[in-house]
Amino acid sequence: SQTIHQWPATLVQPVGSPLSLECTVEGTSNPNLYWYRQAAGRGLQLLFYSVGIGQISSEVPQNLSASRPQDRQFILSSKKLLLSDSGFYLCAWSAQGYEQYFGPGTRLTVT
Amino acid sequence: AQKVTQAQTEISVVEKEDVTLDCVYETRDTTYYLFWYKQPPSGELVFLIRRNSFDEQNEISGRYSWNFQKSTSSFNFTITASQVVDSAVYFCALGDSNYQLIWGAGTKLIIKP
Repeated sequence: SQTIHQWPATLVQPVGSPLSLECTVEGTSNPNLYWYRQAAGRGLQLLFYSVGIGQISSEVPQNLSASRPQDRQFILSSKKLLLSDSGFYLCAWSAQGYEQYFGPGTRLTVT
Repeated sequence: AQKVTQAQTEISVVEKEDVTLDCVYETRDTTYYLFWYKQPPSGELVFLIRRNSFDEQNEISGRYSWNFQKSTSSFNFTITASQVVDSAVYFCALGDSNYQLIWGAGTKLIIKP
């Protein structure tokens, strides 16, 4: 069966510091991968998605970036965090279809 | 434009009551998919159901049921005999032709004991 991992679970970072969130998927090959952000009490905002290694599509202009160095690894990064980057970050995967399956998420607080 | 509207921001009911969560969508696609996800307090989104646009049969899974009506562009979700464990935020989503999901804003469901 497929499993999706995200770490860390929680993170507190000062403004201006770098960020690296990692997501890995097990039990499937060539998944579509997604990064979402959810502000407190709000809906989901798609940040990036990837249909293959090195293929990243950005949905929202921001100071975040994403990379997919391996088939089942998706990384969300920032060189300098802003207060507005605080939120709940969710990674998801899907097969070449529609259902997306989500990881446990990372709660990021930028102070 | 493609859009999903969940007009109910928050619903509060007493345990064992039935509750219906509304979802209205807009799309120009003739083939599309509709989804419901549950987000419990832990935060992880849990996939509940996918419905294809060409299949208007209602779906029942235990206490959960879904009513898909193309004529009104709605895909409503009913929980029968609600339980405290049903308390969560529920999201409706529309799958577009690019395999992206357009999400509703979510409905927070509170089940009181």
